[in-house]
Amino acid sequence: SQQGEEDPQALSIQEGENATMNCSYKTSINNLQWYRQNSGRGLVHLILIRSNEREKHSGRLRVTLDTSKKSSSLLITASRAADTASYFCATALQTGANNLFFGTGTRLTVIP
Amino acid sequence: EAGVVQSPRYKIIEKKQPVAFWCNPISGHNTLYWYRQNLGQGPELLIRYENEEAVDDSQLPKDRFSAERLKGVDSTLKIQPAELGDSAVYLCASSPTILNEQFFGPGTRLTVL
Repeated sequence: SQQGEEDPQALSIQEGENATMNCSYKTSINNLQWYRQNSGRGLVHLILIRSNEREKHSGRLRVTLDTSKKSSSLLITASRAADTASYFCATALQTGANNLFFGTGTRLTVIP
Repeated sequence: EAGVVQSPRYKIIEKKQPVAFWCNPISGHNTLYWYRQNLGQGPELLIRYENEEAVDDSQLPKDRFSAERLKGVDSTLKIQPAELGDSAVYLCASSPTILNEQFFGPGTRLTVL
């Protein structure tokens, strides 16, 4: 079974609004990563947050990590139509190698 | 800098036929991954290479799937024979080391009829 689970499965917002996606996982992690996938394309890495970090920013992206709750959130501020894509969280487990376990993704639609 | 290159982008075959996918990782990336992504799902790891060595192939269905990474650069993933359930997007990714972010190719969309 996949390690991460995103919520919601789908999200539709107006351009300019903020979008928040959540990810829950099951076992202890080394780091958690967020990826974006446009339709028919490969995945693009957005941000990596390590288990000893609580928050990280990159441009309009803000990621939080709560290891006690085994959860993370991705916030996209001031969304644009170009942000329309699927967003996946991926966890690298604390034990073993940096194999990534992906969730099922959140499909974000930003309406112009 | 060129990204991860995969070919072909699309492949349609009949069941029981063989098929092969090719991946050229980013130059200098020692770690190479093959993932399978079913429709509406996240990618699932099939195999991970460190240079030319397959260090994790626990999720690779070895009865019909095989992979190689000769000389620790390009890699091929083969399915023989293909089954209907193999229809998916096969993604290749690479990273400088196992502790870094992964860079994905565009994938090969396989349809088995």
